[in-house]
Amino acid sequence: KNEVEQSPQNLTAQEGEFITINCSYSVGISALHWLQQHPGGGIVSLFMLSSGKKKHGRLIATINIQEKHSSLHITASHPRDSAVYICAVRQRGTDKLIFGTGTRLQVFP
Amino acid sequence: GAGVSQSPSNKVTEKGKDVELRCDPISGHTALYWYRQSLGQGLEFLIYFQGNSAPDKSGLPSDRFSAERTGGSVSTLTIQRTQQEDSAVYLCASSNTRGLNQETQYFGPGTRLLVL
Repeated sequence: KNEVEQSPQNLTAQEGEFITINCSYSVGISALHWLQQHPGGGIVSLFMLSSGKKKHGRLIATINIQEKHSSLHITASHPRDSAVYICAVRQRGTDKLIFGTGTRLQVFP
Repeated sequence: GAGVSQSPSNKVTEKGKDVELRCDPISGHTALYWYRQSLGQGLEFLIYFQGNSAPDKSGLPSDRFSAERTGGSVSTLTIQRTQQEDSAVYLCASSNTRGLNQETQYFGPGTRLLVL
């Protein structure tokens, strides 16, 4: 079993839909990251969370430390949101990130 | 305000040859990471440098892999006697462990390595 699990693996949506991507992890962490990887391969860091909730534009990330679960929400989705979204955790006591396998999102107009 | 840069962007090599991949982190960033993304696979941690501390090499897959960071800035990842399974995109990231954006990692564009 992977230490970081994401669901769903693939997601399609119509423009304007509300999207949720989930991440569960099994190790103790000091922080959780959400990353976006575009079709060209470039990776952008969206959020780093250690508790609570963060919002940036149409993106919202939440984390529940007790339940070892995080969600990434996209409101009013747009075709330009099409990308792979990756959850990564920093294992407590280390400096390395453990990555989920990603969720491939396609938003159609 | 340049971001993280990597070179070369693409590298094709023959099995058994050595390759060097370069990463230029964002100026002033003290932390530097190397990751690997194999085709159809998730990202995999390789090695982490923080300032002058000894690097965390726990993710290196074999002793054919090594990395250096000279002067706390540029880093080179070396793969000796390359194998076909080394084919992947090698990504570098840097972060500033001080300040408001502590630990946010900024990724380079990657080096796509193909071992024939």
